[in-house]
Amino acid sequence: DQQVKQNSPSLSVQEGRISILNCDYTNSMFDYFLWYKKYPAEGPTFLISISSIKDKNEDGRFTVFLNKSAKHLSLHIVPSQPGDSAVYFCAASGAAGNNRKLIWGLGTSLAVNP
Amino acid sequence: DAGITQSPRHKVTETGTPVTLRCHQTENHRYMYWYRQDPGHGLRLIHYSYGVKDTDKGEVSDGYSVSRSKTEDFLLTLESATSSQTSVYFCAISEGSPRIPEAFFGQGTRLTVV
Repeated sequence: DQQVKQNSPSLSVQEGRISILNCDYTNSMFDYFLWYKKYPAEGPTFLISISSIKDKNEDGRFTVFLNKSAKHLSLHIVPSQPGDSAVYFCAASGAAGNNRKLIWGLGTSLAVNP
Repeated sequence: DAGITQSPRHKVTETGTPVTLRCHQTENHRYMYWYRQDPGHGLRLIHYSYGVKDTDKGEVSDGYSVSRSKTEDFLLTLESATSSQTSVYFCAISEGSPRIPEAFFGQGTRLTVV
């Protein structure tokens, strides 16, 4: 059973518009949520994270929103650029003991069209 | 960029042969992980290590073993490679700190078992 779900396998947006990528989770014990970006033939790169004690974190064009009651988070990219075209993974981390394993969604492929 | 080096970057091997992939880090991070990425499955954890000689299984550990004799090196061994182990393998490292939960990834190793 997937604990982290990205229900949209792909998303296409126009350059300059907003991209919204969504992620749902089932485990209320997760205390950190992270977004990674992955280009083909490269490893995932960390993009932005949010602690469960916050509801928003912003870094430049990237903002992550967390709705704990709905167990939902979203990544907003404004404005979207062609270089943002990549696969975006949502991941969650629990604080159980010393175990900092990340639980991953399946990813959403974002295409930003010029 | 975090100092993570995976070797080899590409390998073709025959069914039934042993294969060892190496991950080397220069960050002195406590946690090291091996993932595989396959279409439709996202990133799946094979094994991870939380210290020298301290390792544990992930969700897809069958057919794989690991060793960590030094902080900087984490080896993944396929004892007898099968075609189902054809995949892209990623190593990741993490401080494991509750304040810094993000993991950093290597460039990946593309393994083909023929």
